[in-house]
Amino acid sequence: EVHLVESGGDLVKPGGSLRLSCEVSGINFVAAWMSWVRQAPGKGLEWVGRMKSRGSGGTTDYGTPVKGRFTISRDDSKNTIYLQMNGLETADAGLYFCAHLSFFGAYGVGEPQLTTWGQGTLVTVSS
Amino acid sequence: DIVMTQSPLSLPVTPGEPASISCRSTQSLLHNNENNFLDWYLQKPGQSPQLLIYLGSNRASGVPDRFSGSGSGTEFTLKISRVETEDVGIYYCMQSLQTPRTFGQGTKVEIK
Repeated sequence: EVHLVESGGDLVKPGGSLRLSCEVSGINFVAAWMSWVRQAPGKGLEWVGRMKSRGSGGTTDYGTPVKGRFTISRDDSKNTIYLQMNGLETADAGLYFCAHLSFFGAYGVGEPQLTTWGQGTLVTVSS
Repeated sequence: DIVMTQSPLSLPVTPGEPASISCRSTQSLLHNNENNFLDWYLQKPGQSPQLLIYLGSNRASGVPDRFSGSGSGTEFTLKISRVETEDVGIYYCMQSLQTPRTFGQGTKVEIK
């Protein structure tokens, strides 16, 4: 069974930085594509970004509001994916989920589906 | 970015009755491999989202057959044939054609 556990959420001041972690078990993490999705309090879901497996190039893509401020990385030896958040704004506050992605269609065609989600870690941005 | 628009945003339902949610995209999600790159997710109260429907019309593992997805191009529909109380939550469509990935605003389904 795939299991994802996020951590690192905290209270941070505007302009500050924070690194979130997501530890994954139950899958071959080396081959995993992973995403981060966030949800502001009482609001809808917002895609933050995605990192491909190293075998697929390890490339990252980001949502428009976070591009240039957030960075996704991974440590395959620790089955962990990270989200480095810099220049935090009040609009970045919310619950951050990591998700494992799976291709149900042809591999590498389009983007994969978010098949397993963690429980989320809470980020608060306030002075 | 592809913009996803859902309607209605709020949907009161009666158990046993059907329900329908619409999702539109500003760009066609039909790939030349004939798949529609549109997925549906359900976030039940207090839970993480879960995948319901992928590639327009395919139920994810364990999803009851009262859920169905249809549509092509820029217009899609999620239907629940007979709503059950456990179906309450917020339903999101999401395009899986390209990055940045984008969600609809969400449709809150609640029991009347």
